[in-house]
Amino acid sequence: DQQVKQNSPSLSVQEGRISILNCDYTNSMFDYFLWYKKYPAEGPTFLISISSIKDKNEDGRFTVFLNKSAKHLSLHIVPSQPGDSAVYFCAAYSGAGSYQLTFGKGTKLSVIP
Amino acid sequence: EAQVTQNPRYLITVTGKKLTVTCSQNMNHEYMSWYRQDPGLGLRQIYYSMNVEVTDKGDVPEGYKVSRKEKRNFPLILESPSPNQTSLYFCASRDRGNQPQHFGDGTRLSIL
Repeated sequence: DQQVKQNSPSLSVQEGRISILNCDYTNSMFDYFLWYKKYPAEGPTFLISISSIKDKNEDGRFTVFLNKSAKHLSLHIVPSQPGDSAVYFCAAYSGAGSYQLTFGKGTKLSVIP
Repeated sequence: EAQVTQNPRYLITVTGKKLTVTCSQNMNHEYMSWYRQDPGLGLRQIYYSMNVEVTDKGDVPEGYKVSRKEKRNFPLILESPSPNQTSLYFCASRDRGNQPQHFGDGTRLSIL
């Protein structure tokens, strides 16, 4: 069973508008969440993270929101730029010192100029 | 420059011919992992290592071996590769705690 779910395989957004990527999880032990961005022919690169003790974390154009009661998190990109076109993975750790990072299947974002 | 280096980047081989994919990191990280990425399945963990000589199975360990004799290196070994191991493989390392993983650029394996 999939513990981290990204139900939208793809998303297209106009340049300058907001991109919202969603992620749901089922494991209540997850307490730290990360977003990674992946370009073709490269490894995933870390984008932003959030601890379960927070409900929001911002870094420039990127904001992650966490709704623990709904077991849902979202990544907002404002404004979207063509260089943001990539596959975005949601991932989660369960507990401090956890060795396993569980990934979602990814959402491919296309930002249209 | 902090990096995770995998070799080879691409390999086409045949069923049953043993192969090793090397992984090296220069950040003195304790934790290292191997993942495979398949269409529609995302990233799945194969094996991970908490430190030298300490390794454990991830979600999809069948058909793979690893070793961690030195802190910086974490090779992935396919003793008898099969076509279902055709995939894109990533090595990653991270520091202690809930730290982000740093990924290599990937190794694309095709097993005929």
